[in-house]
Amino acid sequence: GQQLNQSPQSMFIQEGEDVSMNCTSSSIFNTWLWYKQDPGEGPVLLIALYKAGELTSNGRLTAQFGITRKDSFLNISASIPSDVGIYFCAGYTGANSKLTFGKGITLSVRP
Amino acid sequence: DGGITQSPKYLFRKEGQNVTLSCEQNLNHDAMYWYRQDPGQGLRLIYYSQIVNDFQKGDIAEGYSVSREKKESFPLTVTSAQKNPTAFYLCASSITSGAYQPQHFGDGTRLSIL
Repeated sequence: GQQLNQSPQSMFIQEGEDVSMNCTSSSIFNTWLWYKQDPGEGPVLLIALYKAGELTSNGRLTAQFGITRKDSFLNISASIPSDVGIYFCAGYTGANSKLTFGKGITLSVRP
Repeated sequence: DGGITQSPKYLFRKEGQNVTLSCEQNLNHDAMYWYRQDPGQGLRLIYYSQIVNDFQKGDIAEGYSVSREKKESFPLTVTSAQKNPTAFYLCASSITSGAYQPQHFGDGTRLSIL
């Protein structure tokens, strides 16, 4: 089946720094979703992308739908302590496909 | 407020016992989903329902059962046949099951074995 690859498993940054994370696959995806999960809570949708090349922002977050449709990127600018959490990418390969999730990247922000 | 409510937040199961996790949504969404999350793992689909009175097995349905008698409710029963039930369980919903709809999640139920 389709797999989404997120690496590294953990990232450590200093408060105020920018951070970029990506999500790759060997399959073509038609929708990319980025979620953030705080400890003990459910994932919250950050950004949804529907078109190759699309660039969408949500506050300090910017995500892009890769031109090849096999990857997506999430950037967080000027990180703050509340950015700590697990960031998941997810996507659909087709209109009737199930949502596929990456394993997530745990982000830590040092004050 | 519109959203997805999962209860209880924490649940303990004894050996040989069935337990039921509740999921209620007031978003008027047709589709609902149950996922299991283990540490360091992505979300794995247990069951999903596209419409009332219909549901399909996901990737790891063995040892679980569901019902969808009402649009807003999709309870998950973890049966005694599920030998490794300790996990974080997440319920989600989407407007429909197709057409690339984002899924929205509840806050989860953590199930542990006594």
